[in-house]
Amino acid sequence: DQQVKQNSPSLSVQEGRISILNCDYTNSMFDYFLWYKKYPAEGPTFLISISSIKDKNEDGRFTVFLNKSAKHLSLHIVPSQPGDSAVYFCAARGGGSSNTGKLIFGQGTTLQVKP
Amino acid sequence: DVKVTQSSRYLVKRTGEKVFLECVQDMDHENMFWYRQDPGLGLRLIYFSYDVKMKEKGDIPEGYSVSREKKERFSLILESASTNQTSMYLCASRGRQGGPQHFGDGTRLSIL
Repeated sequence: DQQVKQNSPSLSVQEGRISILNCDYTNSMFDYFLWYKKYPAEGPTFLISISSIKDKNEDGRFTVFLNKSAKHLSLHIVPSQPGDSAVYFCAARGGGSSNTGKLIFGQGTTLQVKP
Repeated sequence: DVKVTQSSRYLVKRTGEKVFLECVQDMDHENMFWYRQDPGLGLRLIYFSYDVKMKEKGDIPEGYSVSREKKERFSLILESASTNQTSMYLCASRGRQGGPQHFGDGTRLSIL
C-alpha cells in the first residue's frame, strides 16, 4: 500500500504565481520529510526538508508546510519561474531509519511553469 | 559536493542476460541505495546497503541482487533480465551522520 501519496500527477501555473504541490502520508511514525526535484535525464536533487517537530521550513522561494494531524505536507514555490518546471517528489523517513536515511517516495508531480 | 556516478546513462540488453549496473560515490558514505523509477509509481527502493558487505531488501527486490565489496561501490545485478525490468535505475548515497540522499543521474535500461 502506498504510504506516501502525491495525488496530482501534474500542475500548471503561470510564471510569477504560486505553485502548491501536495503530499499525503499514512504512517504516523514518519519523522522527517523531504522534497526532491528532478529534471529529465538527471537524478533527483534535494530541495528542502522538514522535521516532524516543526510545521514550517522556508528556504528562499521554497516553503514546506507540515500538518501532522492531517498527515499532509505541501511545498509552496513563490514566485514560480520557468526553470522550476520539473517533476517533484515528496519523500518520508521512518522513525527507525535515522541512521540509514531510508526513504519512501511519492509518485511525483510534474510542474509546468508557463512564461 | 557529493558525486554519485552511475557507469552507464543508457543500456540495452536482451531477455535472459545477466546485467550489471554500477554506482560509485566519492564521499565515504556508509549508506547506498538502488531505486527504479517508473511513470506513475515514483521511486521504489530495490535494495540498500548500510555498510560494506551488508545489504537489505527494499520494497521490490525480486529479480535483483546487489554487491557491496568496497565502501564506495554498490552494484545492482539483474540475474536474468526480463522485459518488465525496463526502467530508469537510480543510485543514491547518504552518510550516517545525516542529511539527504544524493542521487546519480540514472541509467535508462531497456530489455528487449
